[in-house]
Amino acid sequence: QLVESGGDLVQPGGSLRLSCAASGFTFSSYWMHWVRQVPGKGLVWVSGINGDGSITEYADSVKGRFTVSRDNARETLYVQMNSLRAEDTAVYYCGRGNYPYSVDIWGRGTMVTVSS
Amino acid sequence: QSALTQPPSVSGSPGQSVTVSCTGTSSDVGSYNRVSWYQQPPGTAPKLMIYEVSNRPSGVPDRFSGSKSGNTASLTISGLRAEDEADYYCSSYTTSATYVFGTGTKVTVL
Repeated sequence: QLVESGGDLVQPGGSLRLSCAASGFTFSSYWMHWVRQVPGKGLVWVSGINGDGSITEYADSVKGRFTVSRDNARETLYVQMNSLRAEDTAVYYCGRGNYPYSVDIWGRGTMVTVSS
Repeated sequence: QSALTQPPSVSGSPGQSVTVSCTGTSSDVGSYNRVSWYQQPPGTAPKLMIYEVSNRPSGVPDRFSGSKSGNTASLTISGLRAEDEADYYCSSYTTSATYVFGTGTKVTVL
């Protein structure tokens, strides 16, 4: 199970940190991903991190502004979002990477709204 | 990275088959057999239906099948059922070590 938290209303240029608490599987053994979705629109991959946190990847649209990390002892995934823009407004899902290059477990999402 | 191209909508009657296409480039769909398909009913999180082009996770009915030719992947739903009505998204790993999703297709059961 994955449960996201931390979504909020934030002003343009502001920062926010999202969390994703995992349970029911060996968290440290899996890649984890963040995927976002503007309500009514399509899915967009944001970032991924490998099991020990040594490899991170980002979509071009968030590179340099978002930082993904994980705490395997706490079984929690994070994304630190800085310099937020209106176009970052979306539901943010965390997901477990499994079945090569796929996401097989998804959280319910947390809403981030960037607006003045 | 541009989104993979899917038709906005497809429809079929119960029992029929429908196919959803997903067109990318030689930098994503055409480079690897790393295409996945997700089902997303309204108001819910996505669910993995197909991985590595044509493999089904346990619990996914064999009515769902996938294939790929060149830069285009396809999802076929055979024996369409009312509960199959949802949005479907393809996804591919890319040569930049990132992922790209498709634009999404609404499947309607008439």
